[in-house]
Amino acid sequence: GAVVSQHPSWVICKSGTSVKIECRSLDFQATTMFWYRQFPKQSLMLMATSNEGSKATYEQGVEKDKFLINHASLTLSTLTVTSAHPEDSSFYICSAYGQGKISGANVLTFGAGSRLTVL
Amino acid sequence: AQSVTQLGSHVSVSEGALVLLRCNYSSSVPPYLFWYVQYPNQGLQLLLKYTSAATLVKGINGFEAEFKKSETSFHLTKPSAHMSDAAEYFCAVSEGATNKLIFGTGTLLAVQP
Repeated sequence: GAVVSQHPSWVICKSGTSVKIECRSLDFQATTMFWYRQFPKQSLMLMATSNEGSKATYEQGVEKDKFLINHASLTLSTLTVTSAHPEDSSFYICSAYGQGKISGANVLTFGAGSRLTVL
Repeated sequence: AQSVTQLGSHVSVSEGALVLLRCNYSSSVPPYLFWYVQYPNQGLQLLLKYTSAATLVKGINGFEAEFKKSETSFHLTKPSAHMSDAAEYFCAVSEGATNKLIFGTGTLLAVQP
């Protein structure tokens, strides 16, 4: 089946540093990837949509200079939290949409998430 | 704009009892509807989805949901709860096949022995 891998699963960083989170589609080509943010005991909030080879589309209220999204290939999208602060601490989840290599069917799959803690 | 409302942030049932998690949606176009389950510190696992075919959708782990356009609802049910069903459940809607999901606030299901 379609698998999406996120790395790292846990990251702790100091305030002011930048953190990069990777989202990889392992057995399918993801033409579109979505990044979500989930605060403790809350729902997932869509941050941005990225299509391979083009700039990400950010949801209202999401700072594009703060959360840099790159989707340079059909199997990889990255989210960089720049100059992280404690309020950026959250669970970040990506999802990927594309055509499965084996089945040929379109799939939408979520990654396992990356927990960011900013000290 | 689309939205999803999940009634009841916490639901508690006894093992073996019926599980009913409520979801109502709002959409200006025919929606695609989803139910996901999330275990602590994990990502989302798709339980089932409605994409304009059969209104009664069967998913994994014995769950099913019925799309009722007249009620704008997509409630999730399971005849008999198991301890392993204890988790957070999210209902989501997308505008057709855009795959851009809008999630509800989630319902935490507790299963009592």
